[in-house]
Amino acid sequence: DAGVIQSPRHEVTEMGQEVTLRCKPISGHNSLFWYRQTMMRGLELLIYFNNNVPIDDSGMPEDRFSAKMPNASFSTLKIQPSEPRDSAVYFCASRLGAKTTDYGYTFGSGTRLTVV
Amino acid sequence: TQLLEQSPQFLSIQEGENLTVYCNSSSVFSSLQWYRQEPGEGPVLLVTVVTGGEVKKLKRLTFQFGDARKDSSLHITAAQPGDTGLYLCAGAGAGNNRKLIWGLGTSLAVNP
Repeated sequence: DAGVIQSPRHEVTEMGQEVTLRCKPISGHNSLFWYRQTMMRGLELLIYFNNNVPIDDSGMPEDRFSAKMPNASFSTLKIQPSEPRDSAVYFCASRLGAKTTDYGYTFGSGTRLTVV
Repeated sequence: TQLLEQSPQFLSIQEGENLTVYCNSSSVFSSLQWYRQEPGEGPVLLVTVVTGGEVKKLKRLTFQFGDARKDSSLHITAAQPGDTGLYLCAGAGAGNNRKLIWGLGTSLAVNP
């Protein structure tokens, strides 16, 4: 089992540029989550999908952020245009089951985004 | 609004010492999870507690869920350098089993 795979691991971009983060969940997991982690705010849920359908995107900061899950094995998080305050570590996590008590989350290794 | 308070925020101890970290809230959770995160990696699930008063053990780690399901503690016996990391608790609200409320974590350093 390769786990949750995220790419790239590191991304440095200039303000105003488009950034696309990628995630491959664990095969068979039917829920996928995008999180952002900063020292000040900790882990913040941005959006989650169940069976490839977006269920709750209330954590997406603003219209500059968008996420897609075209199939069960791939998801993207896009920021356009990027701003310095978007600098953070972005995690993708997947889980089997609809209830939190079914199984825990499996996180990827994250993408460290720096917007200069 | 931060609904889960973790304490202490930072902890530095010597190898072999015991320690307890806490996760407190005024809200009731249907379940609570503990994760450990190492630098440059994502959090890794350690345990899920569901029943008020429940105690779970994972080798030298003992997890307890409060009777009222508002708080939890993690006790480590004879800490090892390999226990170093950020310990995060996350609670699931009774009304929504998918979204977790996260604490900011306790950063533990175990010195050899």
